[in-house]
Amino acid sequence: DIQMTQSPSTLSASVGDRVTITCRASQTIDTWLAWYQQKPGKAPKLLIYKASALKSGVPSRFSGSGSGTEFTLTISSLQPDDFGNYYCQQYTTYWTFGQGTKVEIK
Amino acid sequence: EVQLVESGGGLVQPGGSLRLSCVVSGFTFSSYEMNWVRQAPGKGLEWISFIDGSGTSPYYADSVRGRFTISREITKNSLYLQMNGLRADDTAVYFCSSAITVSGLFYWGQGALVTVSS
Repeated sequence: DIQMTQSPSTLSASVGDRVTITCRASQTIDTWLAWYQQKPGKAPKLLIYKASALKSGVPSRFSGSGSGTEFTLTISSLQPDDFGNYYCQQYTTYWTFGQGTKVEIK
Repeated sequence: EVQLVESGGGLVQPGGSLRLSCVVSGFTFSSYEMNWVRQAPGKGLEWISFIDGSGTSPYYADSVRGRFTISREITKNSLYLQMNGLRADDTAVYFCSSAITVSGLFYWGQGALVTVSS
């Protein structure tokens, strides 16, 4: 099974900060990686697919990069609405999620 | 508009059974793989089951294999999860999700809460 290791588990940042979350796969997944944002009581919301493709309607401050086993999600200028939990997901062999990153606004 | 609506959640005793349903609309159901993902209270997302578009190739996470059964009924645009031998650690919100992964198409339902408790 493919394991996904996400870091950090929690981050606290100010509005306007640049924020980066990393995700590492236990084996190569090419670019079959997605990033989600989840707010309390809601379903996950897709932000990025194929490692770097921005889903239509998602603000351009979100970006993804990486391939193989190392991936990053970057928020270029953190906004108040960006609080929540973020998950990476591999989908090359069934699905596996990272353990999540809680983003708090200072 | 794409919609996935789960139902069938509730309170069940340990060892009991429950069947979740997910009715979809707004896309060609048979073209999409379907998955169940769960989230225990205060925890992260856990993928638990997959079924292909034709419904002939189910697959399960180790945590539910042998207890849960995924199926789909194309004519009713419906996905199911039959859950037997439920345990306290199966308590979670269960999401159905549809995907055409090569196209980056992922859709999610709102979730159904399953509580396993005596």
